[in-house]
Amino acid sequence: EIVLTQSPGTLSLSPGERATLSCRASQSVSSSSLAWYQQKPGQAPRLLIYVASSRATGIPDRFSGSGSGTDFTLTISRLEPEDFAVYYCQQYVTSPWTFGQGTKVEIK
Amino acid sequence: VQLVESGGGLVQPGGSLRLSCAASGFTFRTYWMHWVRQAPGKGLTWVALISSDGRTTNYADSVKGRFTVSRDNAKNTLYLQMNSLRAEDTAVYYCVRNVECWGQGTLVTVSS
Repeated sequence: EIVLTQSPGTLSLSPGERATLSCRASQSVSSSSLAWYQQKPGQAPRLLIYVASSRATGIPDRFSGSGSGTDFTLTISRLEPEDFAVYYCQQYVTSPWTFGQGTKVEIK
Repeated sequence: VQLVESGGGLVQPGGSLRLSCAASGFTFRTYWMHWVRQAPGKGLTWVALISSDGRTTNYADSVKGRFTVSRDNAKNTLYLQMNSLRAEDTAVYYCVRNVECWGQGTLVTVSS
């Protein structure tokens, strides 16, 4: 099973600032089969990024993903008020799918 | 594209429950489907998958032998039969198509 470790656990930032979230895998995630989700309280996860760097339909271009192998990054270039939420990475190259423990982006 | 779960509720430890997920807006019979759950205040955990034709299934170790995933492609519906439920199965259960489409979830609470 591929273990995903996200850092930091919490990110305290102000609107307009840049957010950089990290996701490290215990083994290489082939084909860059890594996704990023945003989740707000009481809502289902919303896909932001798939295959490490492709934005899902309707996702603003302030969200970008990068990385390969075992190290991946989600960057939010300028935080908007609606971006404060919990973010999860996920690998889907092998079964079982596994998720990181999440990074909470909170208002400073 | 829409996935709508139903069937959640309160059940006693050791009891059973069957969740359903109604799919619409896409050709359901061509997609592998997954169940993912989220315990209150916790992260996301994969539960089970089923192939497009229903012949291949796989389960998380924590539910193996207790949960059964199935589908009815004629009815565009995915199921999760949950038996011998435990308190630690309490969670919101989501059905998922690939990674891009999630239902709104249904809450299962296991408590006496």
